[in-house]
Amino acid sequence: DQQVKQNSPSLSVQEGRISILNCDYTNSMFDYFLWYKKYPAEGPTFLISISSIKDKNEDGRFTVFLNKSAKHLSLHIVPSQPGDSAVYFCAAKSSFGNEKLTFGTGTRLTIIP
Amino acid sequence: NAGVTQTPKFQVLKTGQSMTLQCAQDMNHNSMYWYRQDPGMGLRLIYYSASEGTTDKGEVPNGYNVSRLNKREFSLRLESAAPSQTSVYFCASTPTRPAYEQYFGPGTRLTVT
Repeated sequence: DQQVKQNSPSLSVQEGRISILNCDYTNSMFDYFLWYKKYPAEGPTFLISISSIKDKNEDGRFTVFLNKSAKHLSLHIVPSQPGDSAVYFCAAKSSFGNEKLTFGTGTRLTIIP
Repeated sequence: NAGVTQTPKFQVLKTGQSMTLQCAQDMNHNSMYWYRQDPGMGLRLIYYSASEGTTDKGEVPNGYNVSRLNKREFSLRLESAAPSQTSVYFCASTPTRPAYEQYFGPGTRLTVT
């Protein structure tokens, strides 16, 4: 049972345009969400996070939006740059319990120069 | 400050052989994790350790054992490797609350023939 879903395995975006990566979750107990970026042959690196008490968090070119009623979050990258080409994982956790994160299956983003 | 280190980077095993994957972190983090990454499956938690001396099963623990040797080190052992354990293995650590971001090592690519 996939509690965190990234339905788009891949996405291609022109350099300079906006990249929008989507993530859906089913567990209503999740209250903290994170995005990770992964380059080939490297471990994932933390990108940005959002608590369920907010609906938006911004860090430079990266913005995460959370729609709790739809159980949906999205990561916006603007403007997109070639170095943004990577696999992006969405992850979620619940405050009730331990520190475990539940990850989505990832979206491969390719920025076209 | 090396962060999270993993050894070895690559390993090929024959079915039935055993091996231990090593992980160490120098960030004084309490919690440590072992994940496996398979195509189309995202990151799945094998085992985690919330603190020195404690370990708990994750989503896919069968065929694995772990040891939290001290605060720095968390090892993953395959007692009798199977082809289904061919994967990329990542170790991660996280500080105490309220920080939830996990810091990942570079990964170990394991092939079981």
